[in-house]
Amino acid sequence: EAQVTQNPRYLITVTGKKLTVTCSQNMNHEYMSWYRQDPGLGLRQIYYSMNVEVTDKGDVPEGYKVSRKEKRNFPLILESPSPNQTSLYFCASSLGGDAGNTIYFGEGSWLTVV
Amino acid sequence: GQNIDQPTEMTATEGAIVQINCTYQTSGFNGLFWYQQHAGEAPTFLSYNVLDGLEEKGRFSSFLSRSKGYSYLLLKELQMKDSASYLCAVRANYQLIWGAGTKLIIKP
Repeated sequence: EAQVTQNPRYLITVTGKKLTVTCSQNMNHEYMSWYRQDPGLGLRQIYYSMNVEVTDKGDVPEGYKVSRKEKRNFPLILESPSPNQTSLYFCASSLGGDAGNTIYFGEGSWLTVV
Repeated sequence: GQNIDQPTEMTATEGAIVQINCTYQTSGFNGLFWYQQHAGEAPTFLSYNVLDGLEEKGRFSSFLSRSKGYSYLLLKELQMKDSASYLCAVRANYQLIWGAGTKLIIKP
């Protein structure tokens, strides 16, 4: 089954404690991205990756890091989480370019930073 | 700047028709998406328009006018399960720009 899997789905952590949210897709997609979603603001892109070893900042990259060492994995790293990073996070993937006319989303990760 | 506008909230009656509008101003255009998102869940794909005109898919249709920077999503024979947020997104230069979404409330 084609899917994007992200973990953990729910996490409560404390300010400053490094955490990683993993994302994996099984569709051999080149393009992967991370979004955060906050009430009234819609989806905002954090980082995206066009292919292995290629990553770029989205609209709200501050406080986040990513890596793309393998095609299927695109982890999101919060080196020193702060309460303003409390949000719902989605990982997404697509074929990319003009051929990627469907974006597949993971189920979402609810992150609370206290 | 890049901007996508859609109404924040709309209300409609079960069995009726509703049109959700989306206007955009982006540098470059490679296609426009509509996604449906139920509260707390991932967005799911509804439609993709890259050429002008109407695309029909069952109860849902999507229209695009590139010259006007305008799209709409038309939902017919509304059902209670259609209560959700509807997200408009434009692909421009390998990036996706998302609108804030329209929350659709269906009343019996």
